[in-house]
Amino acid sequence: AQKVTQAQTEISVVEKEDVTLDCVYETRDTTYYLFWYKQPPSGELVFLIRRNSFDEQNEISGRYSWNFQKSTSSFNFTITASQVVDSAVYFCALIFDNYGQNFVFGPGTRLSVLP
Amino acid sequence: GAVVSQHPSWVICKSGTSVKIECRSLDFQATTMFWYRQFPKQSLMLMATSNEGSKATYEQGVEKDKFLINHASLTLSTLTVTSAHPEDSSFYICSARDSRSPSSYEQYFGPGTRLTVT
Repeated sequence: AQKVTQAQTEISVVEKEDVTLDCVYETRDTTYYLFWYKQPPSGELVFLIRRNSFDEQNEISGRYSWNFQKSTSSFNFTITASQVVDSAVYFCALIFDNYGQNFVFGPGTRLSVLP
Repeated sequence: GAVVSQHPSWVICKSGTSVKIECRSLDFQATTMFWYRQFPKQSLMLMATSNEGSKATYEQGVEKDKFLINHASLTLSTLTVTSAHPEDSSFYICSARDSRSPSSYEQYFGPGTRLTVT
């Protein structure tokens, strides 16, 4: 099965709090790519990060960090010191190299950061 | 680089009419493009895979006679919603796969087209 699960439908935090968005995926291929996208109200998808299945290194980019663990099939996303501008819907997504090559999206997590 | 455009960005049409949405890769060639649909407060779901010079492949449950896809060049794919109904109102997004890259992850999204059928 090709499936991405984001268990948190909606999250609300107060500005400056840290927040972690969960992503769990199912795969039947050894070669795949994991992504996080941000979708603001305009609808346009904003690319945040890509990870391939052979690179389990965690990554930090400013206030954003990602934790990739193949053992638990998870690719979690943490925003440190959240800001109001972080309010959006966040999608975790997956591409398999050998099956279809299309994006498989999770259901999304709507993050609201309150001032 | 790697820019994908969609036109129009939004469109309102009357029930029963047809509307065409264009997806263009501006600075690369795309043998394969993908069309996704997103209903309000839902995720993006693949509708069809568009391959240049051949027929599109549709996902289960997507009516190929209603959603006509044409990928006539390496930089342009079009999606025509025929005899549109209010339930076709949605956000349509395309992604284009860079033909030069051997990696499937070299794909880029368009900004989306919001269709409202009245």
